[in-house]
Amino acid sequence: GIQVEQSPPDLILQEGANSTLRCNFSDSVNNLQWFHQNPWGQLINLFYIPSGTKQNGRLSATTVATERYSLLYISSSQTTDSGVYFCAVLYNTDKLIFGTGTRLQVFP
Amino acid sequence: NAGVTQTPKFQVLKTGQSMTLQCAQDMNHNSMYWYRQDPGMGLRLIYYSASEGTTDKGEVPNGYNVSRLNKREFSLRLESAAPSQTSVYFCASSATGDAGEQYFGPGTRLTVT
Repeated sequence: GIQVEQSPPDLILQEGANSTLRCNFSDSVNNLQWFHQNPWGQLINLFYIPSGTKQNGRLSATTVATERYSLLYISSSQTTDSGVYFCAVLYNTDKLIFGTGTRLQVFP
Repeated sequence: NAGVTQTPKFQVLKTGQSMTLQCAQDMNHNSMYWYRQDPGMGLRLIYYSASEGTTDKGEVPNGYNVSRLNKREFSLRLESAAPSQTSVYFCASSATGDAGEQYFGPGTRLTVT
């Protein structure tokens, strides 16, 4: 089956710093989503991005489907950005396969 | 517009007990999904329903059954709970299965002792 790998596994930042999270996948996919799981466990949709680049405030994402990777950029990080970031790829019509996540901690 | 709702939020069961997790969506989505998330891991698909009246197995279906009651509701049943089923369960929905963005409920934290 498809493999979805995220890096780095853990990231510690001071407030105001920028970061880049990476998602690599081993096969062609129909789509890709980025999620933020906050410390209370809630999954928040960040981006639905099969290809190209999207921006939403301080966050942006780029997917290069032909090279099988996606990047999530967080600029001017805030303590509320803390949590786990997952990428998930849509494989074989409607099976969403999750990566293992990047745990982000932002300190004031 | 509540999105995807799940009940209960928390549940503790003893080994061998049964229970049903409920999920409902008010977005008129065709497809619905059940996932489990174990500590330190991503979500894994248990079962999904591409449309009303159909269900299919996902990656980890053993020990579970599902019912797509109508377009809005998709329930997950544990017939005889085991400690290995201790997990957080998420329900999700999407407008169409094929390349559709999935939206998640708040989750049910289940502990089996």
